[in-house]
Amino acid sequence: GDSVTQMEGPVTLSEEAFLTINCTYTATGYPSLFWYVQYPGEGLQLLLKATKADDKGSNKGFEATYRKETTSFHLEKGSVQVSDSAVYFCALSPNAGGTSYGKLTFGQGTILTVHP
Amino acid sequence: GAGVSQSPRYKVAKRGQDVALRCDPISGHVSLFWYQQALGQGPEFLTYFQNEAQLDKSGLPSDRFFAERPEGSVSTLKIQRTQQEDSAVYLCASSPARVDTGELFFGEGSRLTVL
Repeated sequence: GDSVTQMEGPVTLSEEAFLTINCTYTATGYPSLFWYVQYPGEGLQLLLKATKADDKGSNKGFEATYRKETTSFHLEKGSVQVSDSAVYFCALSPNAGGTSYGKLTFGQGTILTVHP
Repeated sequence: GAGVSQSPRYKVAKRGQDVALRCDPISGHVSLFWYQQALGQGPEFLTYFQNEAQLDKSGLPSDRFFAERPEGSVSTLKIQRTQQEDSAVYLCASSPARVDTGELFFGEGSRLTVL
């Protein structure tokens, strides 16, 4: 079955440091890939997505590129802020067009803490 | 409110008790999902509704778990004869779409602790 593997955390960085959170996946066909973020005291929310190979999703200074050859979707940010402290989840969805309704498979999550 | 609302936020149950968890999705959202999140893990799919129809319940771990959405809006997840392994955060999510956009709107979850 489908699966998502994220780098283990927690990750602790100083403000303005470079961030990479690794994500690899196993899936049949051509899944869509996502990063969700959960800020303290809030529900999960979509951060960015990519629906086909070589697509780059971006939002709030975060980027991730869909690499089919390495089955990866690593999350990056050039300069993190204290407000980026959260739990980050990589996820995939089968990309079966109109027959797929958005059943997501999530990684285990990576806790990010950014210090001033 | 504008978001997905879940209640109760916290529930402590003795082993063997029945519990009911409620989800109020965003108004007008067609799709509704339940996920289970164990401590330190990512959410795992339980079940999916499109309006009032339960189209996928493949993730429900046993027949003690039951979900309904009788009028196509509010949904209830019921767990009968709770066991310690049922302790988790139960997340509800909704989406305005019938097809896969991948963007689900999540509630804050209901944390169930079974003693």
